[in-house]
Amino acid sequence: RKEVEQDPGPFNVPEGATVAFNCTYSNSASQSFFWYRQDCRKEPKLLMSVYSSGNEDGRFTAQLNRASQYISLLIRDSKLSDSATYLCVVSYNNDMRFGAGTRLTVKP
Amino acid sequence: DTAVSQTPKYLVTQMGNDKSIKCEQNLGHDTMYWYKQDSKKFLKIMFSYNNKELIINETVPNRFSPKSPDKAHLNLHINSLELGDSAVYFCASSQEVSGYEQYFGPGTRLTVT
Repeated sequence: RKEVEQDPGPFNVPEGATVAFNCTYSNSASQSFFWYRQDCRKEPKLLMSVYSSGNEDGRFTAQLNRASQYISLLIRDSKLSDSATYLCVVSYNNDMRFGAGTRLTVKP
Repeated sequence: DTAVSQTPKYLVTQMGNDKSIKCEQNLGHDTMYWYKQDSKKFLKIMFSYNNKELIINETVPNRFSPKSPDKAHLNLHINSLELGDSAVYFCASSQEVSGYEQYFGPGTRLTVT
């Protein structure tokens, strides 16, 4: 089993749609959780951290379920500029593990 | 000012050659990393340094040798390059070793022919 697994994608959605990504992790002792965004041929950049109580940043909502060991990202009112690959990241001690990413394409 | 910079951006070389990639961060961070992103876009950590000390060394061929002359620099030297080394290599830094946002460099696209 991979340490961090994500929805395989790709997701192709129209502008304005709501889309959700899920991610599961294998290490129950994981301590920190993040969603990163990576545009084509660019470096990954932090989208948001994920807190136990869930957190929201504008159109983006992240949730963590420690019991089931999964993290989710919800994007509301999708924009063309949201098209990218979304990477789930899980941290334990000194180690950050990235998921393989889920590609999102938002179409006009 | 660029926070994390890497040179070169592109590197094309032949099998068997030795090459180096340089990384510098001006964020004052204590921890730096090297990642490899292969053709399937999977991002895998290779090394992590904290205050010039190696703290993570994943299962990477010993042809890969990181060197950290100071906290702001982490270079990657690769000996006897192989076709399978072709990938994008990202340098990153974070404030401390665990649980902090990582800032990535723009990547070095290595092609081995």
